[in-house]
Amino acid sequence: QSALTQPPSVSGSPGQSVTISCTGTSSDIGSYNRVSWYQQPPGAAPKLILFDVNNRPSGVPDRFSGSKSGNTASLTISGLQAEDEADYYCNSYTSRSTYVFGTGTKVTVL
Amino acid sequence: QVHLVQSGAEVKKPGSSVKVSCKPSGGTFSNYEITWVRQAPGQGLEWMGRITSVYGTTYYAERFQGRVTITADESTDTAYLQVTSLTSEDTAVYYCASMGQWGQGTLVTVSS
Repeated sequence: QSALTQPPSVSGSPGQSVTISCTGTSSDIGSYNRVSWYQQPPGAAPKLILFDVNNRPSGVPDRFSGSKSGNTASLTISGLQAEDEADYYCNSYTSRSTYVFGTGTKVTVL
Repeated sequence: QVHLVQSGAEVKKPGSSVKVSCKPSGGTFSNYEITWVRQAPGQGLEWMGRITSVYGTTYYAERFQGRVTITADESTDTAYLQVTSLTSEDTAVYYCASMGQWGQGTLVTVSS
């Protein structure tokens, strides 16, 4: 199972919106709505910010939203803030009953 | 809120095995799935495997099949990850995850 494909980096100014894509195949993202997103600040453990494509755990700001079309999922951060600077990873369920992570995207707030 | 507490850092010789533990604090693993993920230095997250709560069924990423074993001890409410035939490429921080929470990570260093 190959890793899902994400852009290595995206950047934006405070207040702007950025979108991170996550491309998989018909054996993972394309067949299941079990896509989640994780935020990992430098030196810290990952934190779940979205599950089942567009559901936020308690405490996660509504600035984070998700969507899916075909084999590609996306994470949008609206109203970008300095504290959003981190690495972001997508994750999807697969046809083998396993999961797979994306390659990761570094978000920089200019 | 439940916190997952993992065992401490390990230094291992190539060819040996390591067993990392994960225990919930302020809650229980009952009825929840436990997943193990690793992250090599400067690299991304890598999904290793999971164990389901009801029947203890395990699923492993293809590249770890046969070398990784995930278990859960109901009596102590503790989950374990065992990795055998270690090489330097297994040097990484190993995380457990469950109930939307992640452990603090366990650094495993493989060095001769």
